[in-house]
Amino acid sequence: GNSVTQMEGPVTLSEEAFLTINCTYTATGYPSLFWYVQYPGEGLQLLLKATKADDKGSNKGFEATYRKETTSFHLEKGSVQVSDSAVYFCALSTGNQFYFGTGTSLTVIP
Amino acid sequence: GAVVSQHPSRVICKSGTSVKIECRSLDFQATTMFWYRQFPKQSLMLMATSNEGSKATYEQGVEKDKFLINHASLTLSTLTVTSAHPEDSSFYICSAKTGAPYEQYFGPGTRLTVT
Repeated sequence: GNSVTQMEGPVTLSEEAFLTINCTYTATGYPSLFWYVQYPGEGLQLLLKATKADDKGSNKGFEATYRKETTSFHLEKGSVQVSDSAVYFCALSTGNQFYFGTGTSLTVIP
Repeated sequence: GAVVSQHPSRVICKSGTSVKIECRSLDFQATTMFWYRQFPKQSLMLMATSNEGSKATYEQGVEKDKFLINHASLTLSTLTVTSAHPEDSSFYICSAKTGAPYEQYFGPGTRLTVT
């Protein structure tokens, strides 16, 4: 079946620290992979995506590379800001349906 | 583009009453809409998938008679929580997709509190 396993949080970092949130997946076929961000009290916003192996998605300083050999899509950012504090969800889609990880809460302190 | 709205954003109702939540795709026609439920500090749980003009497909464990879904047009889907109870309190999020695969656009969510 299809599933997403995401690094558990919460994660607390100082401003300008390096961020990695691990995500691995199990899927049949060739899924697309996504990272969504959810700010307090809001819905999900697409952060970045990758649709095939070796693709790198990037947005707002965040990056993730679709690694088929390790079935991973780890989220990274070189220097986090206080405004990056949110919950991050890794997800995969096989075309019609999405499968979400459990979410990782990130708090960035000044 | 690809904006999905939800109304209301927050609603408080008394136990035993029914509540309707609307989900609209504002600038595109959504062939399929999805309804999710999110418990505090947890991930999204898919409740049902609805296609315009046909009955919704519910996930296992979701009560069809309690969570009524209507997808009357290509831009509007509604979720009605009937005879709400405090345990129905949650954050409900809808999403919509066009005919293109892999793309879903999420609404901002509706916070339901049942007292």
